[in-house]
Amino acid sequence: RKEVEQDPGPFNVPEGATVAFNCTYSNSASQSFFWYRQDCRKEPKLLMSVYSSGNEDGRFTAQLNRASQYISLLIRDSKLSDSATYLCVVNDYKLSFGAGTTVTVRA
Amino acid sequence: DTAVSQTPKYLVTQMGNDKSIKCEQNLGHDTMYWYKQDSKKFLKIMFSYNNKELIINETVPNRFSPKSPDKAHLNLHINSLELGDSAVYFCASSQAYSLAKNIQYFGAGTRLSVL
Repeated sequence: RKEVEQDPGPFNVPEGATVAFNCTYSNSASQSFFWYRQDCRKEPKLLMSVYSSGNEDGRFTAQLNRASQYISLLIRDSKLSDSATYLCVVNDYKLSFGAGTTVTVRA
Repeated sequence: DTAVSQTPKYLVTQMGNDKSIKCEQNLGHDTMYWYKQDSKKFLKIMFSYNNKELIINETVPNRFSPKSPDKAHLNLHINSLELGDSAVYFCASSQAYSLAKNIQYFGAGTRLSVL
């Protein structure tokens, strides 16, 4: 089993839609998680940390479910600029990256 | 000012050659990393240095040799390049090697093509 698994997508959504996707992790002892965003042919950039109680950053909401060992990302009111690959990251001192979920927002 | 900068951005070379990629960070971070992202976009850690000391070495062939002359620099030298080395190599840095300070900032990547 891979350390971090994500649905690769792609998720094709119209502008203004809500899109959500999950990521599962294998190490039940993992404590720290991030979502990174990677645009085509660019470097990964931190989108947000994921906190135990769930957290929001503008239109983005991250949730953690420890019992089922998954984290989720929800994007509300999608913008064209949200088109990217979203990388789920488990922080066990070294970062373990999922292969990414591709989101394409269309006009 | 670019926080994590790596050079060159593109590298095209023949099999069997030796090449180096340089990385510098001006964030004052203690920890630096090298990652490889292959054609399937999977990002995998190769090495990590904390204050010039090697702390992670992930079963990378010994043709790959990192070198950290100081904590702001982490270079990657690759001997006897093979076709399978073609990938994008990312350098990254974090404030420290700890759970609380492990947010990593990435350089723009070096696209290596081995012909």
